[in-house]
Amino acid sequence: GQQLNQSPQSMFIQEGEDVSMNCTSSSIFNTWLWYKQDPGEGPVLLIALYKAGELTSNGRLTAQFGITRKDSFLNISASIPSDVGIYFCAGRGGSNYKLTFGKGTLLTVNP
Amino acid sequence: DADVTQTPRNRITKTGKRIMLECSQTKGHDRMYWYRQDPGLGLRLIYYSFDVKDINKGEISDGYSVSRQAQAKFSLSLESAIPNQTALYFCATTKQGTDTQYFGPGTRLTVL
Repeated sequence: GQQLNQSPQSMFIQEGEDVSMNCTSSSIFNTWLWYKQDPGEGPVLLIALYKAGELTSNGRLTAQFGITRKDSFLNISASIPSDVGIYFCAGRGGSNYKLTFGKGTLLTVNP
Repeated sequence: DADVTQTPRNRITKTGKRIMLECSQTKGHDRMYWYRQDPGLGLRLIYYSFDVKDINKGEISDGYSVSRQAQAKFSLSLESAIPNQTALYFCATTKQGTDTQYFGPGTRLTVL
């Protein structure tokens, strides 16, 4: 089956720093999604990407759909304490509507 | 009001007990999913349903069963709970033809 490798597993940064995380796939994906999970809550969608090369922003967040369709990147600029949480990538390949999720990146922001 | 709700939010039970987790949605979506989250393992799909009475196994369906008797409700059952089923369980929904899944707040299940 499809597998996603998400890195890094965790990050400890200072407030104000930029953050970058990525996911790579063993096969081609048609859709990439990035979610954030706050403690005690379910994942919430941040950005959805549908075309190779697509670059999309949501406030301080920017995500890109890799040209090879096997990877995606999420960048967070000027981090703030409320950015703390687990960030998941998710992708869909083929014609079904199941998503494959990465294992998550735990982000800690020190004030 | 939340679009996707899960009950209970927390549950502690003993080995061998039957447990049912409920999911309800007011989004009008036809597709519903049950996931399990364990530390360091991300979200793993247990079962999914594309319509009422449609049931499909995910990657870790052993030890679980589901029921989709109405479009708005999707329940997950553990017939005989075991300790390694201790985890966070999430329900999600999506509309046919779209990829974005909307998650409930989760149920924290502990099996002693």
